[in-house]
Amino acid sequence: EAGVTQFPSHSVIEKGQTVTLRCDPISGHDNLYWYRRVMGKEIKFLLHFVKESKQDESGMPNNRFLAERTGGTYSTLKVQPAELEDSGVYFCASSQGNTEGETQYFGPGTRLLVL
Amino acid sequence: GQSLEQPSEVTAVEGAIVQINCTYQTSGFYGLSWYQQHDGGAPTFLSYNALDGLEETGRFSSFLSRSDSYGYLLLQELQMKDSASYFCAVRGNYQLIWGAGTKLIIKP
Repeated sequence: EAGVTQFPSHSVIEKGQTVTLRCDPISGHDNLYWYRRVMGKEIKFLLHFVKESKQDESGMPNNRFLAERTGGTYSTLKVQPAELEDSGVYFCASSQGNTEGETQYFGPGTRLLVL
Repeated sequence: GQSLEQPSEVTAVEGAIVQINCTYQTSGFYGLSWYQQHDGGAPTFLSYNALDGLEETGRFSSFLSRSDSYGYLLLQELQMKDSASYFCAVRGNYQLIWGAGTKLIIKP
């Protein structure tokens, strides 16, 4: 069974540019999460999809970030325009359900560097 | 605020036992998870404790005391491949709230 995949693995862009990150969850997983780790700090929750609907987007830092999951399969996270402080590692995770003990399976992350 | 505290780095010898502690202060609590991450890799699920006590999975065990807001990960018979960062994470409503991670360094 294929795991969570993310593309690209690395992205280097200039301040003000736009970047779109993609996440393909494990097939059949309705729940998809985005997290990020900035400047070696804690991994922070960004948002949670259940199928194509945003269940919780309380962690989104500002309106420069837009996440979509059209069709309830893969998801994209767009940063527009990117700022220096957006540099970090963006992780995607998926789970089949969202009960208390449900394991979230993580992708390898996209390393974003904004210059 | 919500926070999880764990040591930034732990050093141990191959074949030994090491314990990584985690204390948490969160507004909601549905369980404590542990993840392992090798450099450049995906965080990999290790264990989950919803109730007090010890959960054992092979060489790894995890403990939780909800009254003390405390848990630990115990790694036995350390192998060089166990060198990685270990994260504790509290399950909130749906999201995971993470500690900063403990880098485990294993010496031969």
